[in-house]
Amino acid sequence: QKEVEQNSGPLSVPEGAIASLNCTYSDRGSQSFFWYRQYSGKSPELIMFIYSNGDKEDGRFTAQLNKASQYVSLLIRDSQPSDSATYLCAGDNYGQNFVFGPGTRLSVLP
Amino acid sequence: ETGVTQTPRHLVMGMTNKKSLKCEQHLGHNAMYWYKQSAKKPLELMFVYNFKEQTENNSVPSRFSPECPNSSHLFLHLHTLQPEDSALYLCASSQVGGGEVSYEQYFGPGTRLTVT
Repeated sequence: QKEVEQNSGPLSVPEGAIASLNCTYSDRGSQSFFWYRQYSGKSPELIMFIYSNGDKEDGRFTAQLNKASQYVSLLIRDSQPSDSATYLCAGDNYGQNFVFGPGTRLSVLP
Repeated sequence: ETGVTQTPRHLVMGMTNKKSLKCEQHLGHNAMYWYKQSAKKPLELMFVYNFKEQTENNSVPSRFSPECPNSSHLFLHLHTLQPEDSALYLCASSQVGGGEVSYEQYFGPGTRLTVT
């Protein structure tokens, strides 16, 4: 069973802090990883993807990938109340095995 | 707007009804997906179509019947559903093949289905 695991949360952080969201995966064949944000009652929205070991930054978001540890993370700097949502991690093997994690609920407190 | 549209956005149906959900993607992608998302549960992949051919069916009950007439359109035909089938049904598309590493999926807004 190829799985992607995430803490369900909720993860609560104060406004302006760094939110750290973590994800582990079991399929060593997974090559690329995705972070989606999903507001309540809405569909998932792609934030960013990463496929090389190390960090990838996009605005306030930084994705980190460590294939040896099978670990992916998403850091959100200067967290805002509007960042409060469920964050879904997904892994994929060249389009052959796209698997979503259960999501982590983030709450940014004003 | 992601370039993936779904209709209807909301649907209420009785257990004896027959209805269809429609998805259309304007991104030129060659793969389309149906997901089910129940309250407080993770996304469940239901069906995958690559190049219009069904490549995956994750043990979905036969009361759900997909149809993919071309690479831009995807339908989910519903009949004799149960109340536990009430959920958000999401369509997604991606471009697979071509030697890329990442094949990100883009989601439509979803259809909120209530079975009474």
